[in-house]
Amino acid sequence: QIQLVQSGPELKKPGESVKISCKASGYTFTDYAMHWVKQAPGKGLKWMGWINTYTGKPTYADDFKGRFVFSLEASASTANLQISNLKNEDTATYFCARGGHYPDYWGQGVMVTVSS
Amino acid sequence: DIQMTQSPSSMSASLGDRVTITCQASQDIGNNLIWFQQKPGKSPRPMIYYATNLANGVPSRFSGSRSGSDYSLTISSLESEDMADYHCLQYKQYPYTFGAGTKLELK
Repeated sequence: QIQLVQSGPELKKPGESVKISCKASGYTFTDYAMHWVKQAPGKGLKWMGWINTYTGKPTYADDFKGRFVFSLEASASTANLQISNLKNEDTATYFCARGGHYPDYWGQGVMVTVSS
Repeated sequence: DIQMTQSPSSMSASLGDRVTITCQASQDIGNNLIWFQQKPGKSPRPMIYYATNLANGVPSRFSGSRSGSDYSLTISSLESEDMADYHCLQYKQYPYTFGAGTKLELK
């Protein structure tokens, strides 16, 4: 069965970096894009962008250009999200989601807490 | 960017009620809209895709419709397991954009 399994929760200080992973199984990794979605506590969903898992080319929404990097370990069917220079407002749950025509299968989410 | 205006932001309803949630698109999105259900601490679950198509395993009391730029999710007879947040997402063009969400609670 198709699964996206994300890494565990993170507690970081402002200015630090974090790397979140999303390991896919049950399908051919490079046949589908991977999207990333942010959900701040008690808030709605915000689309961050996507990565072409065949070419490795990332596309970022405007609010996520600069400190956010999407990457791949294609041999391990894994997509990664790295956030540098963390700010308090980065406190959120981050989801990966497989993209066919639309984000269909989702990871369980990773809670990142930024606090001094 | 395409703006998705979702309403209401919250609502309370009784078991058995007919419930409708709406997203209005600021530009033409064709039918490239999906509705998600999200329960606390869980990831979003696709319910309706391409505006009117029921996703796998979704009960038939859920349906989607379109009238012009307004897209609606309807639950024909509310059940307790339907209490959740609902989100719409347009995937016509990048950046994809979500509605602000609707919290559905039991009256």
